[in-house]
Amino acid sequence: GAVVSQHPSRVICKSGTSVKIECRSLDFQATTMFWYRQFPKKSLMLMATSNEGSKATYEQGVEKDKFLINHASLTLSTLTVTSAHPEDSSFYICSAKTGVLYEQYFGPGTRLTVT
Amino acid sequence: EDQVTQSPEALRLQEGESSSLNCSYTVSGLRGLFWYRQDPGKGPEFLFTLYSAGEEKEKERLKATLTKKESFLHITAPKPEDSATYLCAVLNAGNNRKLIWGLGTSLAVNP
Repeated sequence: GAVVSQHPSRVICKSGTSVKIECRSLDFQATTMFWYRQFPKKSLMLMATSNEGSKATYEQGVEKDKFLINHASLTLSTLTVTSAHPEDSSFYICSAKTGVLYEQYFGPGTRLTVT
Repeated sequence: EDQVTQSPEALRLQEGESSSLNCSYTVSGLRGLFWYRQDPGKGPEFLFTLYSAGEEKEKERLKATLTKKESFLHITAPKPEDSATYLCAVLNAGNNRKLIWGLGTSLAVNP
Protein backbone atom coordinates (compact mmCIF):
# COMPACT_ATOMS: atom_id res chain seq x y z
CA GLY A 1 0.00 0.00 0.00
CA ALA A 2 0.84 3.75 -0.14
CA VAL A 3 2.31 3.77 -3.63
CA VAL A 4 3.12 7.02 -5.38
CA SER A 5 4.14 7.19 -9.02
CA GLN A 6 5.82 9.96 -11.00
CA HIS A 7 6.04 10.52 -14.71
CA PRO A 8 8.34 10.95 -16.50
CA SER A 9 11.30 9.48 -14.66
CA ARG A 10 13.73 11.42 -16.84
CA VAL A 11 13.27 14.37 -19.14
CA ILE A 12 15.63 16.46 -21.18
CA CYS A 13 14.36 19.75 -22.54
CA LYS A 14 15.74 22.81 -24.23
CA SER A 15 16.16 26.10 -22.45
CA GLY A 16 13.02 28.22 -22.67
CA THR A 17 10.56 25.33 -22.96
CA SER A 18 8.13 24.08 -20.32
CA VAL A 19 8.02 20.67 -18.72
CA LYS A 20 5.18 18.99 -16.84
CA ILE A 21 5.75 16.33 -14.19
CA GLU A 22 2.87 14.20 -12.92
CA CYS A 23 2.55 12.71 -9.45
CA ARG A 24 -0.12 10.13 -8.69
CA SER A 25 -1.14 8.31 -5.54
CA LEU A 26 -2.11 4.87 -6.78
CA ASP A 27 -3.83 3.22 -3.83
CA PHE A 28 -4.87 6.01 -1.48
CA GLN A 29 -6.41 9.44 -1.56
CA ALA A 30 -3.80 12.13 -1.12
CA THR A 31 -5.31 15.09 0.68
CA THR A 32 -1.92 16.80 0.62
CA MET A 33 0.92 16.52 -1.86
CA PHE A 34 4.39 17.97 -1.65
CA TRP A 35 7.03 18.83 -4.22
CA TYR A 36 10.73 18.69 -3.40
CA ARG A 37 14.03 19.33 -5.13
CA GLN A 38 17.12 17.40 -4.21
CA PHE A 39 20.67 18.40 -5.04
CA PRO A 40 23.62 15.99 -4.77
CA LYS A 41 24.69 15.48 -1.17
CA LYS A 42 22.00 17.88 0.03
CA SER A 43 18.87 17.28 2.00
CA LEU A 44 15.45 17.38 0.41
CA MET A 45 14.28 20.95 -0.17
CA LEU A 46 10.54 21.51 0.05
CA MET A 47 9.28 23.66 -2.81
CA ALA A 48 5.56 23.72 -2.20
CA THR A 49 2.63 22.06 -0.51
CA SER A 50 -0.69 21.54 -2.22
CA ASN A 51 -4.07 20.49 -0.91
CA GLU A 52 -6.65 19.07 -3.26
CA GLY A 53 -8.74 21.82 -4.79
CA SER A 54 -6.70 24.64 -3.24
CA LYS A 55 -3.86 26.83 -4.41
CA ALA A 56 -0.42 25.57 -3.55
CA THR A 57 1.60 27.12 -0.73
CA TYR A 58 5.13 27.89 -1.88
CA GLU A 59 8.22 27.99 0.29
CA GLN A 60 10.19 31.18 0.56
CA GLY A 61 12.41 31.72 -2.46
CA VAL A 62 10.43 29.45 -4.80
CA GLU A 63 8.97 31.33 -7.75
CA LYS A 64 5.31 30.43 -8.04
CA ASP A 65 5.10 31.72 -11.63
CA LYS A 66 7.96 29.48 -12.65
CA PHE A 67 6.90 26.33 -10.81
CA LEU A 68 3.19 25.91 -11.42
CA ILE A 69 1.49 23.35 -9.22
CA ASN A 70 -1.97 21.92 -9.73
CA HIS A 71 -3.68 19.44 -7.40
CA ALA A 72 -6.92 18.87 -9.24
CA SER A 73 -7.93 15.57 -7.67
CA LEU A 74 -7.20 13.42 -4.64
CA THR A 75 -4.84 11.27 -6.69
CA LEU A 76 -3.06 13.67 -9.02
CA SER A 77 -0.77 16.66 -8.70
CA THR A 78 1.30 18.22 -11.45
CA LEU A 79 4.37 20.42 -11.42
CA THR A 80 5.07 22.49 -14.51
CA VAL A 81 8.46 24.10 -14.84
CA THR A 82 7.89 27.04 -17.14
CA SER A 83 10.56 28.62 -19.34
CA ALA A 84 13.12 26.18 -18.00
CA HIS A 85 16.77 27.17 -17.73
CA PRO A 86 19.87 25.07 -17.05
CA GLU A 87 19.82 26.08 -13.38
CA ASP A 88 16.45 24.33 -13.07
CA SER A 89 18.15 21.01 -13.79
CA SER A 90 17.63 18.89 -10.70
CA PHE A 91 15.97 15.84 -9.21
CA TYR A 92 12.32 16.59 -8.46
CA ILE A 93 10.42 14.35 -6.07
CA CYS A 94 6.78 14.43 -5.05
CA SER A 95 5.25 12.98 -1.93
CA ALA A 96 1.74 12.48 -0.67
CA LYS A 97 -0.03 12.04 2.61
CA THR A 98 -3.57 11.29 3.59
CA GLY A 99 -5.83 12.67 6.25
CA VAL A 100 -4.50 12.92 9.78
CA LEU A 101 -1.53 10.62 9.20
CA TYR A 102 1.84 12.34 9.24
CA GLU A 103 3.83 9.98 7.05
CA GLN A 104 4.68 11.17 3.57
CA TYR A 105 5.05 8.60 0.80
CA PHE A 106 7.38 9.51 -2.00
CA GLY A 107 7.38 8.99 -5.70
CA PRO A 108 10.46 7.65 -7.53
CA GLY A 109 11.54 11.11 -8.65
CA THR A 110 12.07 12.87 -11.98
CA ARG A 111 15.50 13.82 -13.25
CA LEU A 112 15.17 17.07 -15.24
CA THR A 113 18.01 18.19 -17.47
CA VAL A 114 17.72 21.53 -19.25
CA THR A 115 20.16 22.03 -22.12
CA GLU B 1 16.01 26.85 15.39
CA ASP B 2 14.71 23.38 14.54
CA GLN B 3 17.53 21.17 13.36
CA VAL B 4 18.32 17.55 12.49
CA THR B 5 21.86 16.17 12.45
CA GLN B 6 22.74 12.69 11.27
CA SER B 7 25.94 10.81 11.96
CA PRO B 8 28.09 9.37 10.67
CA GLU B 9 27.94 10.93 7.21
CA ALA B 10 29.09 7.65 5.70
CA LEU B 11 29.50 4.14 7.08
CA ARG B 12 31.06 1.07 5.54
CA LEU B 13 30.30 -2.32 7.09
CA GLN B 14 31.12 -5.91 6.35
CA GLU B 15 28.17 -8.18 5.77
CA GLY B 16 26.93 -9.36 9.17
CA GLU B 17 28.60 -6.51 11.08
CA SER B 18 25.87 -4.81 13.12
CA SER B 19 25.94 -1.06 13.75
CA SER B 20 23.81 1.99 14.52
CA LEU B 21 23.05 5.25 12.77
CA ASN B 22 22.30 8.36 14.79
CA CYS B 23 19.81 11.17 14.27
CA SER B 24 20.00 14.05 16.75
CA TYR B 25 17.29 16.67 16.73
CA THR B 26 16.27 19.92 18.34
CA VAL B 27 12.67 20.93 17.81
CA SER B 28 10.10 22.96 19.66
CA GLY B 29 7.83 20.02 20.42
CA LEU B 30 8.12 16.76 18.49
CA ARG B 31 5.11 15.64 16.48
CA GLY B 32 6.93 12.71 14.91
CA LEU B 33 10.32 11.42 13.76
CA PHE B 34 10.62 9.56 10.49
CA TRP B 35 13.20 7.24 8.97
CA TYR B 36 13.47 6.76 5.24
CA ARG B 37 15.75 4.76 3.00
CA GLN B 38 16.85 6.25 -0.32
CA ASP B 39 18.55 4.36 -3.12
CA PRO B 40 20.58 6.29 -5.74
CA GLY B 41 18.33 8.02 -8.27
CA LYS B 42 15.14 7.06 -6.39
CA GLY B 43 12.71 8.74 -4.06
CA PRO B 44 12.84 8.03 -0.31
CA GLU B 45 11.13 4.88 0.91
CA PHE B 46 9.27 5.14 4.19
CA LEU B 47 10.58 2.94 7.01
CA PHE B 48 9.33 4.08 10.42
CA THR B 49 7.51 6.75 12.37
CA LEU B 50 8.30 7.27 16.05
CA TYR B 51 6.15 9.57 18.15
CA SER B 52 7.41 9.55 21.73
CA ALA B 53 10.52 8.82 23.78
CA GLY B 54 10.93 5.16 24.56
CA GLU B 55 9.14 4.02 21.44
CA GLU B 56 10.76 1.31 19.30
CA LYS B 57 9.85 -0.16 15.92
CA GLU B 58 11.32 -3.04 13.97
CA LYS B 59 11.31 -4.21 10.40
CA GLU B 60 13.44 -7.14 9.32
CA ARG B 61 17.07 -6.22 10.20
CA LEU B 62 16.20 -2.65 11.17
CA LYS B 63 15.16 -1.32 14.55
CA ALA B 64 14.47 2.32 15.30
CA THR B 65 14.49 3.81 18.79
CA LEU B 66 13.70 7.27 20.12
CA THR B 67 14.77 9.40 23.08
CA LYS B 68 14.00 13.04 23.81
CA LYS B 69 17.12 14.16 21.93
CA GLU B 70 17.93 11.53 19.35
CA SER B 71 16.94 8.46 17.45
CA PHE B 72 18.98 5.44 16.50
CA LEU B 73 18.55 3.14 13.56
CA HIS B 74 20.10 -0.19 14.51
CA ILE B 75 21.05 -2.51 11.68
CA THR B 76 21.54 -6.12 12.74
CA ALA B 77 23.61 -8.47 10.57
CA PRO B 78 23.33 -6.24 7.49
CA LYS B 79 23.36 -7.58 3.97
CA PRO B 80 24.68 -5.88 0.81
CA GLU B 81 21.09 -5.05 -0.19
CA ASP B 82 20.86 -2.82 2.89
CA SER B 83 23.31 -0.43 1.20
CA ALA B 84 21.53 2.92 0.76
CA THR B 85 21.30 6.38 2.23
CA TYR B 86 19.20 6.50 5.39
CA LEU B 87 17.39 9.76 5.99
CA CYS B 88 15.90 11.08 9.20
CA ALA B 89 13.26 13.80 9.37
CA VAL B 90 11.24 15.41 12.15
CA LEU B 91 7.88 17.12 12.25
CA ASN B 92 7.51 19.71 14.96
CA ALA B 93 4.34 20.43 16.82
CA GLY B 94 4.33 24.08 15.78
CA ASN B 95 4.22 23.51 12.03
CA ASN B 96 2.88 20.17 11.00
CA ARG B 97 3.16 20.52 7.27
CA LYS B 98 6.91 20.68 6.77
CA LEU B 99 9.44 17.98 7.53
CA ILE B 100 12.91 19.02 8.70
CA TRP B 101 15.48 16.73 7.10
CA GLY B 102 18.92 15.55 8.02
CA LEU B 103 21.58 15.09 5.36
CA GLY B 104 21.51 11.33 5.69
CA THR B 105 23.96 8.53 6.36
CA SER B 106 25.33 6.72 3.34
CA LEU B 107 25.65 3.05 4.24
CA ALA B 108 27.71 0.58 2.23
CA VAL B 109 27.66 -3.10 3.17
CA ASN B 110 30.40 -5.17 1.63
CA PRO B 111 29.85 -8.88 0.92
